[in-house]
Amino acid sequence: DIQMTQSPSSLSASIGDKVIITCRASQSISNYLNWYQQKPGKAPKLVIYVASSLESGVPSRFSGSGSGTDFTLTISSLQPEDIATYYCQQSYTTPTFGQGTKVEVK
Amino acid sequence: EVQLVESGGGLVQPGGSLRLSCAASGFSFSTYGMYWVRQVPGKGLEYVSSISSIGDSTDYAKSVEGRFTISRDNSKNMLYLQMGSLRVEDMAVYYCAREVISRSDGFNSRFDPWGQGTLVIVSS
Repeated sequence: DIQMTQSPSSLSASIGDKVIITCRASQSISNYLNWYQQKPGKAPKLVIYVASSLESGVPSRFSGSGSGTDFTLTISSLQPEDIATYYCQQSYTTPTFGQGTKVEVK
Repeated sequence: EVQLVESGGGLVQPGGSLRLSCAASGFSFSTYGMYWVRQVPGKGLEYVSSISSIGDSTDYAKSVEGRFTISRDNSKNMLYLQMGSLRVEDMAVYYCAREVISRSDGFNSRFDPWGQGTLVIVSS
């Protein structure tokens, strides 16, 4: 299985800050990488697909980049509604997820 | 509105069985592959099983292979997960999810949407 490693595991930022979450695959996955947002008690929600495509309805402050083994999810200006845990997921082979990054307000 | 609604979770003893259901609405169910993904409360997401759009191909995580069976009834827009020989480590919230494939993006697949989840508790 392809292992996905996210960093950091958690972060604390102020409203308006730029937030960057990284995800590394144990082998090259081209751009077969998706990002999900999960709020407490809720199901995950697709945010970014194919590494950099913004899902319909998701605010443009979210962006994704990367290919091969290294990927990033960026929130350009953190908003209160962005407080959640974010997961990367590879779809190159049998899907696997990163361990999650919990984003909190400082 | 595209919607997935799981049901069937509950308390079961180790070694017992349970069948989860996922009711789909708002889209052409028979044209999408479907997945089950689970999450131990407070932990990360784990792939469990998948089934092709017409049900002729299935796949399982090694951790559940031989114990769980995925199936679907396209006439009823329903997805199922029959779980047997349940273990304490199977205790989790189980989500069903629709697989969306982008042919224009090299057949990248993603999960959208997800159901609200159903909690399975395995305990004596």
